[in-house]
Amino acid sequence: DADVTQTPRNRITKTGKRIMLECSQTKGHDRMYWYRQDPGLGLRLIYYSFDVKDINKGEISDGYSVSRQAQAKFSLSLESAIPNQTALYFCATSDPRVGDEQYFGPGTRLTVT
Amino acid sequence: GEDVEQSLFLSVREGDSSVINCTYTDSSSTYLYWYKQEPGAGLQLLTYIFSNMDMKQDQRLTVLLNKKDKHLSLRIADTQTGDSAIYFCAEDPTNKLIFGTGTLLAVQP
Repeated sequence: DADVTQTPRNRITKTGKRIMLECSQTKGHDRMYWYRQDPGLGLRLIYYSFDVKDINKGEISDGYSVSRQAQAKFSLSLESAIPNQTALYFCATSDPRVGDEQYFGPGTRLTVT
Repeated sequence: GEDVEQSLFLSVREGDSSVINCTYTDSSSTYLYWYKQEPGAGLQLLTYIFSNMDMKQDQRLTVLLNKKDKHLSLRIADTQTGDSAIYFCAEDPTNKLIFGTGTLLAVQP
């Protein structure tokens, strides 16, 4: 089984709809992250959480919110989706006690029409 | 700013060496990383170098770090078709990674 899972893997939605992307991990890591990937722009950090009670904005948090429901779960919400939020979204986890390597989920491809 | 820059595309023939370059801006990073993204997948850590090192070799991979110029490179010897992927460099100045734009490596048979 994969260590970091994301659901859904693909989603098409309409402008104005509320969308939630979910991430679960079995690695026991405290740190979790949400990124979006756009061609030619690399990965940009949306939000990150260093433990269950810690939530921090990343580089591009506008239009997004997150919830850390448990150590293993970190969800990303788009309250009112817009077309320029069409992208590939990745969740990742890390543990600073073991080099802080980030482990990525398989990604969610979101299309907003 | 926190810009990490890479060229977008590199094409090589199978068996040749590939060199992927990266420039970063923050000299306070403890480590510098190379991640690999295969088609349809998330990123996986390929290798990393501690900031006080100049070079690290790991089988077919050689990482060179020039701190003065803030330049990082990844050399892949005897490049194989399975090396075709997007390669991202990343720095970690503030306990979170700043990724480059990614370099698509295409390996021609």
